[in-house]
Amino acid sequence: NAGVTQTPKFRILKIGQSMTLQCAQDMNHNYMYWYRQDPGMGLKLIYYSVGAGITDKGEVPNGYNVSRSTTEDFPLRLELAAPSQTSVYFCASSSGTGEGQPQHFGDGTRLSIL
Amino acid sequence: GQQLNQSPQSMFIQEGEDVSMNCTSSSIFNTWLWYKQDPGEGPVLLIALYKAGELTSNGRLTAQFGITRKDSFLNISASIPSDVGIYFCAGQLYHTDKLIFGTGTRLQVFP
Repeated sequence: NAGVTQTPKFRILKIGQSMTLQCAQDMNHNYMYWYRQDPGMGLKLIYYSVGAGITDKGEVPNGYNVSRSTTEDFPLRLELAAPSQTSVYFCASSSGTGEGQPQHFGDGTRLSIL
Repeated sequence: GQQLNQSPQSMFIQEGEDVSMNCTSSSIFNTWLWYKQDPGEGPVLLIALYKAGELTSNGRLTAQFGITRKDSFLNISASIPSDVGIYFCAGQLYHTDKLIFGTGTRLQVFP
C-alpha cells in the first residue's frame, strides 16, 4: 500500500505565485487533514475534511483553500504565496476519530517562498 | 492557538540510557498519541492511548495516559542510535475531530 502520497516533495515559489499541493490516499479513509510544520514547532492544522464534499477550517486557514471532490484526494491551494507560508506541509488521513483510528501522515512537501 | 506543553525540548543521551518525555495540557483529552519523525519524513505513529490510566508498550517504548486526562508520558528503554529523531505527542479533545500537537522532543543518541 502507498498510504498517503504527497507531491511535490520540494518547491520554491516567488511571492505572489500560486500553486496546489497534492495529497492522495489509497486507504479509503473518510478523514483527511492538512498541517504545516514550522522549524522547531509542532504541527498546526490548516484545513480538514470528514468526507467528500465537506471541508472545514483548522487553526491556521488564512491564505489557503482546499477542496474534496473525491474520497482519495485532498489538494491544498495557495493563491498568493507569501514568505510567511514557507514551511513543511503534511497531509494526513484517518478512517475516523475513534479508538483504533489514528492519523497516518505523508512524507511532506517542503515549500519555500522567496 | 492551542498547543501542548512537551518537555524536554531536546535530549542528548548515550546509547543504552533510558529516556523519558512528557506532555501536559490544561484541557482534557480522550486520546493521546505519540509519533516519531525522522529527518525528511512525516510523523509515524508509535503508540495510541484511549483510556485514562492506560499503560501501553511497543517494544522498548512505553507510554501512559495520565489519570487526570491532561497529560501523557513516553519512556524509551535502552536507547539505540536509530531512536534519533523528533518525538511528538498529540491529543484529541473530546467531541472534536482534530488533534493538538506538542512542540516535539528532539532526541540525539551518541554511541
